[in-house]
Amino acid sequence: AQSVTQLGSHVSVSEGALVLLRCNYSSSVPPYLFWYVQYPNQGLQLLLKYTTGATLVKGINGFEAKFEKSEPSFHLTNPSAHMSDAAEYFCAVSGIRAGNQFYFGTGTSLTVIP
Amino acid sequence: EAGVTQFPSHSVIEKGQTVTLRCDPISGHDNLYWYRRVMGKEIKFLLHFVKESKQDESGMPNNRFLAERTGGTYSTLKVQPAELEDSGVYFCASSPPGITGATGELFFGEGSRLTVL
Repeated sequence: AQSVTQLGSHVSVSEGALVLLRCNYSSSVPPYLFWYVQYPNQGLQLLLKYTTGATLVKGINGFEAKFEKSEPSFHLTNPSAHMSDAAEYFCAVSGIRAGNQFYFGTGTSLTVIP
Repeated sequence: EAGVTQFPSHSVIEKGQTVTLRCDPISGHDNLYWYRRVMGKEIKFLLHFVKESKQDESGMPNNRFLAERTGGTYSTLKVQPAELEDSGVYFCASSPPGITGATGELFFGEGSRLTVL
């Protein structure tokens, strides 16, 4: 079975500061991991994904995430927050044996303070 | 290229009434998914179509929910009769043929917010 835990439903950072959004997951099969972002009044869009290969994956707008099998986790970071990064972020996991299902976390709302 | 579109964006109904949500996927996307997010909780899978066939409907809460995808194009999700706990945001997503949801990207609509009073 798969499940996703996002720690912190709300995160506030100052503009230019480091962004860290936490995601822990459980999976009975090798996972595929995703971060989706939902900007106000828009649908969710893919930010980045890990399927195989390098454990550090880079996404759009300076975001990156590292797959840590030992924890297991897939935390999302950005070294410098911009006002335009204010959005809700969802971590998701899926796996081959889970069919085509994605399992999402509860989401983290990011506020960037000028 | 048009994205995934959902209608209505917001619906307010009374308990016991019927609501039908519609999703138009990206043209050529055989895979169509419905998800639901109850306020403050995770986005939960409801069901998955491949063309007009239901591939997986294990997430459908109960028989008050009926999803269809006639002709393999747009899909509807009907809730009849609606209950208070059905309130939430219903997301539709699509993906191209031949790419499973496990490794591919899902393209989401903006969601339909349902409020049951």
